Amino acid sequence: DIQMTQSPSTLSASVGDRVTITCRASQSISSWLAWYQQKPGKAPKVLIYKASSLESGVPSRFSGSGSGAEFTLTISSLQPDDFATYYCQQYNSYRWTFGQGTKVEIK
Amino acid sequence: EVQLVESGGGLVQPGGSLRLSCAASGFTFSSYSMNWVRQAPGKGLEWVSYISSRSDTIYYADSVKGRFTIFRDNGKNSLYLQMNSLRVEDTAVYYCAIGYCSGGTCYPGHWGQGTLVTVSS
Repeated sequence: DIQMTQSPSTLSASVGDRVTITCRASQSISSWLAWYQQKPGKAPKVLIYKASSLESGVPSRFSGSGSGAEFTLTISSLQPDDFATYYCQQYNSYRWTFGQGTKVEIK
Repeated sequence: EVQLVESGGGLVQPGGSLRLSCAASGFTFSSYSMNWVRQAPGKGLEWVSYISSRSDTIYYADSVKGRFTIFRDNGKNSLYLQMNSLRVEDTAVYYCAIGYCSGGTCYPGHWGQGTLVTVSS
């Protein structure tokens, strides 16, 4: 299976900060990568698909980039609603695999 | 509005069985592949199983192969997961998710709220 590694595992930031989360795949996955936001007790919500395409309804402060095996999720100006856990996920293979998650906390 | 509502979770003893259901509405269920994804308490996400729109292609994670069976009823807009020989490590919230596809591959574009399965004696 393709392994997905996110960094950092935890990130402390303030409202207004620019935040970047990195995701690395164990092999090339082209651009078949999605990013999700999950809040406690809730289902994951897709933010980005195909590495850089913004899901409908998602604020434009979220952006994704990368291809091959290295990807980033950037939040341009962190808002109070953005404190959550973020996951990357590859869908190059039908055996979807997820990163371990990055918890974005209030500094 | 797209809606996925899971049900059927609960407490079961090791070795027992449980059937999860996912009721879909707000979209043409028969046109989409579906998946089950689970999340153990305090842990990350793990893909469990995939079924194509017409049930002609099915995949399972190695961790559940031979014990779990995915199936769907397009007439009832419903997805199911039959779980047998349950283990303590199957304890998780189980989500159903729609596969949004392009270029021959799919990502989980919409998720239900999940149903909790607890395997314990």
